[in-house]
Amino acid sequence: DAGVTQSPTHLIKTRGQQVTLRCSPKSGHDTVSWYQQALGQGPQFIFQYYEEEERQRGNFPDRFSGHQFPNYSSELNVNALLLGDSALYLCASSSNDRGRSTDTQYFGPGTRLTVL
Amino acid sequence: AQTVTQSQPEMSVQEAETVTLSCTYDTSESDYYLFWYKQPPSRQMILVIRQEAYKQQNATENRFSVNFQKAAKSFSLKISDSQLGDAAMYFCAYRRGRNAGGTSYGKLTFGQGTILTVHP
Repeated sequence: DAGVTQSPTHLIKTRGQQVTLRCSPKSGHDTVSWYQQALGQGPQFIFQYYEEEERQRGNFPDRFSGHQFPNYSSELNVNALLLGDSALYLCASSSNDRGRSTDTQYFGPGTRLTVL
Repeated sequence: AQTVTQSQPEMSVQEAETVTLSCTYDTSESDYYLFWYKQPPSRQMILVIRQEAYKQQNATENRFSVNFQKAAKSFSLKISDSQLGDAAMYFCAYRRGRNAGGTSYGKLTFGQGTILTVHP
């Protein structure tokens, strides 16, 4: 059973560029959440996707956007990169099937983004 | 807004001994879940244990157990018989429960983390 996968593992960009990060959820999961984790800090919630729609959003600017595909995989896009966007970006998947307590979030290995 | 506080930036323990990591949270909700996640240097966030707020019984997973004090809003993690592989950053996290329609509120709110060192 494949867990949550993310690509790429590492990424280096320059200020002002745009970046796309990808996530494939764990088998059987239909919900994807994205988190930003600065070095030495706890993850911060960016947004969550379910049924191809953004369902909940954290305190992040509109430069952060996402998409969920029919196969439940997801992308995180960041435009006009700033130095402060350098962080580990974590994807987590869960199941939103009503009536089942399977909505614990399982995390991928993350993408390390460095903005120069 | 919900907040999660881990007051111990670093903890250390001798191999085979027991250590307790502290976590407090603030919420006005009655239905919620609490989690402990472990993040080793490899950076993969791994679920250690989960507690439903409506359950009075403390969750246990092998060497890991929690002390859930709902009235005090405290959720500590006890690691027994510590092993070298337990060395990691540990995060306490909170999530609201499902609403009346059954939709899961997906946002996890994390604490600042506690670095656990295990000495041989």
